[in-house]
Amino acid sequence: DAGVIQSPRHEVTEMGQEVTLRCKPISGHNSLFWYRQTMMRGLELLIYFNNNVPIDDSGMPEDRFSAKMPNASFSTLKIQPSEPRDSAVYFCASSYGPINQPQHFGDGTRLSIL
Amino acid sequence: GENVEQHPSTLSVQEGDSAVIKCTYSDSASNYFPWYKQELGKGPQLIIDIRSNVGEKKDQRIAVTLNKTAKHFSLHITETQPEDSAVYFCAASGNRDDKIIFGKGTRLHILP
Repeated sequence: DAGVIQSPRHEVTEMGQEVTLRCKPISGHNSLFWYRQTMMRGLELLIYFNNNVPIDDSGMPEDRFSAKMPNASFSTLKIQPSEPRDSAVYFCASSYGPINQPQHFGDGTRLSIL
Repeated sequence: GENVEQHPSTLSVQEGDSAVIKCTYSDSASNYFPWYKQELGKGPQLIIDIRSNVGEKKDQRIAVTLNKTAKHFSLHITETQPEDSAVYFCAASGNRDDKIIFGKGTRLHILP
């Protein structure tokens, strides 16, 4: 069974550029989560979707961040314009059911903004 | 909102000994407590979880205990092995649409 697939695995770009991270959840899962992991702040939930609908985006740090889930098998997290403080590892996770169910994480995208 | 504290931040144990990681939470309504293991370059992987209607749960060498009165829960790993070296995260969540809040993690080193 394929797990959660994220792309790219690594992204290095200059400040001010648009960054798009991609996620394919596990087939059959109906909840999808985007997290950010840094040394200082640990693992933070940015946004989660249930049945392709955003349920809670209170963790999205600024208007520069946006997320979409056009269908059950694909989601994007976009940062425009990017800043050096956005450098982190971004994880996507999916689960079957509401948020208090086991989540399956992808291997993340390591983002570096120069 | 929920706040999860995790201790210690780093733990070193001799291979074969036991390791214990402790977490406390603030929201008495929380009722789901998962534990995740994260290896270098990988995403967190669920290793065990417990719900508030259970006080203890075991899976081979791993066990989790929950004390709802004191609002703390712990992960116990017995007979530790080199492959147990990783970062472990506890988390807590309440009702169906409540966020899962993660602790800051414990880096576990298994010494040969």
